[in-house]
Amino acid sequence: DAKTTQPNSMESNEEEPVHLPCNHSTISGTDYIHWYRQLPSQGPEYVIHGLTSNVNNRMASLAIAEDRKSSTLILHRATLRDAAVYYCILKRGNTPLVFGKGTRLSVIA
Amino acid sequence: DAGVIQSPRHEVTEMGQEVTLRCKPISGHDYLFWYRQTMMRGLELLIYFNNNVPIDDSGMPEDRFSAKMPNASFSTLKIQPSEPRDSAVYFCASSRTTGIGTDTQYFGPGTRLTVL
Repeated sequence: DAKTTQPNSMESNEEEPVHLPCNHSTISGTDYIHWYRQLPSQGPEYVIHGLTSNVNNRMASLAIAEDRKSSTLILHRATLRDAAVYYCILKRGNTPLVFGKGTRLSVIA
Repeated sequence: DAGVIQSPRHEVTEMGQEVTLRCKPISGHDYLFWYRQTMMRGLELLIYFNNNVPIDDSGMPEDRFSAKMPNASFSTLKIQPSEPRDSAVYFCASSRTTGIGTDTQYFGPGTRLTVL
């Protein structure tokens, strides 16, 4: 599986934008970039995914570099409920998600 | 939809006892996954099924662990005999395949297992 690299932790002030980076320099052409998050005491939940173009949904935006070797998850206005571990995962075909350590996001009121 | 259902939510048992964890996937999903989460090792994939058939069990730690999926709406993960190092949160997830990597995995709330 292609690996991803994320910072261990990040901190944000409430109601400010948050940019969570992910490096995936060995990504292949058929790998989709998925982001999941895990709130305290819950199972992981899907946030967003993309292949080449930037993507937006109600939860977040995903900005993908032109060479696809990195991506950034953008939370436009962080709330206390966004405090979680965020995982950036490459997924190909029917392969299951393989989780790394992720980035622990703390949101300060 | 009720989402992925796991039972029990919490299990406390003594070393040597048999433990059975249960999972009901989302209706219509053809993939089912079992994960284990500990502080030391993070989220690990144990085994996954496609259309009730085990596809990859290379993540199952030992022969003490076994998983079955007798039908599309039910799966079990059994540990026999249990050991204190099996203490962890066990998650079940399901998905409907798209074949190209866009499918979303939906996770259950997990079963917190404590082996004394």
